[in-house]
Amino acid sequence: EPEVTQTPSHQVTQMGQEVILRCVPISNHLYFYWYRQILGQKVEFLVSFYNNEISEKSEIFDDQFSVERPDGSNFTLKIRSTKLEDSAMYFCASSEEGSNGNTIYFGEGSWLTVV
Amino acid sequence: AQSVTQLGSHVSVSEGALVLLRCNYSSSVPPYLFWYVQYPNQGLQLLLKYTSAATLVKGINGFEAEFKKSETSFHLTKPSAHMSDAAEYFCAVNTGFQKLVFGTGTRLLVSP
Repeated sequence: EPEVTQTPSHQVTQMGQEVILRCVPISNHLYFYWYRQILGQKVEFLVSFYNNEISEKSEIFDDQFSVERPDGSNFTLKIRSTKLEDSAMYFCASSEEGSNGNTIYFGEGSWLTVV
Repeated sequence: AQSVTQLGSHVSVSEGALVLLRCNYSSSVPPYLFWYVQYPNQGLQLLLKYTSAATLVKGINGFEAEFKKSETSFHLTKPSAHMSDAAEYFCAVNTGFQKLVFGTGTRLLVSP
C-alpha cells in the first residue's frame, strides 16, 4: 500500500540551527500538509500546500517556518532558527483531493529535539 | 469553531472486553469526523471516517463508530479487545481546507 515517507526519523539539533525535514507524499496526491505534536499535547495543524503554494497555515507557522516542493516527489519543512519549543514530532501528510471528507494519510513522523 | 473533545486520557480494558472510546464534537455545520490510531513509534493511521453517508461507520481491525447528531457524538467501539489494539486513538474533525483539528487522544491499555 502506498505510504507517506519521512526522513529523518529523529534529529537532534542545537538551538538556532536550521533544520530541514523531508517527506515523500503518496505519488498521485495533490495536497500536502505538515502537522506537529509536542510531547503530551495534541496533534496540531501547521500548513497545507497545493499547486506549489501554501493554501492554509496556522498561527504556529510563523516566518521561521517554510515549505517547499523542490521537485516532483519531495516536500520539505524548513525551520530557519530552531528554538527549544520547536521540539516535537513533525508529521507530513498528503491527500488525493481537497474535499473535506477526503482521507489525509500521515507519515510516521520526524522527531525533532532542540537542545 | 469546530472542535472535538475526547473524554478519558486513558482507558483500560481486559482482552475480549468491549472497547468504547468517547468523542464529542462541536460544529455549526455538518462535520466530517475521523478516528486515527497511533501505535507505539508509528505514525497516524486512519481507522474510519464519517462523511455524512451512513451514520454507522465500519473501519479497519473490527472498529466502528456511530455518528449521533442529537448527542454530538462519534464514539469508537470494538466488541472484543485484542492485545494488539493497545495504542493511542485520536478523534479529529475537518474544519475546512483539509485542516484537521484533533482531540487530545485516548490511550487504550489492554490487559490479558
